[in-house]
Amino acid sequence: GNSVTQMEGPVTLSEEAFLTINCTYTATGYPSLFWYVQYPGEGLQLLLKATKADDKGSNKGFEATYRKETTSFHLEKGSVQVSDSAVYFCALSKFGNQFYFGTGTSLTVIP
Amino acid sequence: GAVVSQHPSRVICKSGTSVKIECRSLDFQATTMFWYRQFPKQSLMLMATSNEGSKATYEQGVEKDKFLINHASLTLSTLTVTSAHPEDSSFYICSAPKGGRGQTSGNTIYFGEGSWLTVV
Repeated sequence: GNSVTQMEGPVTLSEEAFLTINCTYTATGYPSLFWYVQYPGEGLQLLLKATKADDKGSNKGFEATYRKETTSFHLEKGSVQVSDSAVYFCALSKFGNQFYFGTGTSLTVIP
Repeated sequence: GAVVSQHPSRVICKSGTSVKIECRSLDFQATTMFWYRQFPKQSLMLMATSNEGSKATYEQGVEKDKFLINHASLTLSTLTVTSAHPEDSSFYICSAPKGGRGQTSGNTIYFGEGSWLTVV
């Protein structure tokens, strides 16, 4: 079946620190991979996505590369800011509408 | 601003009562909406697919008589938790694809803010 395993949190970092949130997936075929972010009191927002192997999704300084050989889609950012504090969800989708999510990783960035 | 809105964001209800959660698409019509729930320390899990004008499709293990889904209009889907029990306490979130019915990678998916349900 389809599933996503995501690094457990919470994660606390100082401002300007390097961020990595690990994500691995299990799926048949060739899913699309996503990172969603949820800020306090708001809905899930698409952060970035990749639709095929070796694609790199990027947005707002965040990056993730679709690695089929390791079935991974790790999220990275070189220098986090306080405003990046949120919950991050890794997800996969095979048909564009139905998603399989990880458990979410809460990130807190302290000044 | 929000493209998909959920209400209420938090609700507390007594065991045995029913509670309704609304999911609205604000500036587009959504013939299909999706309902997810998340238990503590677990993934967001798809519960059901809500289809305007027809019955919802439930995922395996989800009780359709307990979680009533009504897609009354092209902009509104409701989830009613009937005879709620403490084990139904969870985070419920909906999503809607903007771009038409069906499963296509061209749709943009929007999520609501989520609703926290606590059954006491």
